[in-house]
Amino acid sequence: DTGVSQNPRHKITKRGQNVTFRCDPISEHNRLYWYRQTLGQGPEFLTYFQNEAQLEKSRLLSDRFSAERPKGSFSTLEIQRTEQGDSAMYLCASSGTGLNSYEQYFGPGTRLTVT
Amino acid sequence: AQSVTQLDSQVPVFEEAPVELRCNYSSSVSVYLFWYVQYPNQGLQLLLKYLSGSTLVKGINGFEAEFNKSQTSFHLRKPSVHISDTAEYFCAVSEGGYSTLTFGKGTMLLVSP
Repeated sequence: DTGVSQNPRHKITKRGQNVTFRCDPISEHNRLYWYRQTLGQGPEFLTYFQNEAQLEKSRLLSDRFSAERPKGSFSTLEIQRTEQGDSAMYLCASSGTGLNSYEQYFGPGTRLTVT
Repeated sequence: AQSVTQLDSQVPVFEEAPVELRCNYSSSVSVYLFWYVQYPNQGLQLLLKYLSGSTLVKGINGFEAEFNKSQTSFHLRKPSVHISDTAEYFCAVSEGGYSTLTFGKGTMLLVSP
């Protein structure tokens, strides 16, 4: 069990560019979550998948954001036409099902800086 | 909708002293409660969770928390802290059978010698 991994760990981009982040969950976990954390705040829920199905999306997830989990394994989060307000840490977490779904394991995050 | 309040943004404490980090939540339905710890430049690690049963929950690294339904609180305690406990601590809640988490703003625990 290597834990949840995220790539890249850091991304600096110019306003207006598109960026894509990847998350690899713990292999036997079928639930995958994306959260965003800004400075001085706790993580805020963005979206989650059960297997390849995207079951819930937060109102925070504007139409510039899209997430996929095509084969029910890794997931990608894309931000189009980035804005300075998108600068944040993007966290991925995974969990099992049933009562195990309440125990989420987090990756180290991808820190996005939009200049 | 649920919300989580962590009243203290920073808690300074001397090594080997006891500490309590406060967490209050609001929800109209049953909740599950969690404490996570975040060390610098790392992801969040689960310290402990309350799903049901005994209201006193023990976690890793000597931490414990008590669920108080009447006061809608889930305060985190440790009887004797170490320098290595310096980190940010987040309280979180999931509501009504949903597994997505709502986090508080966090409390920075600063342990000095």
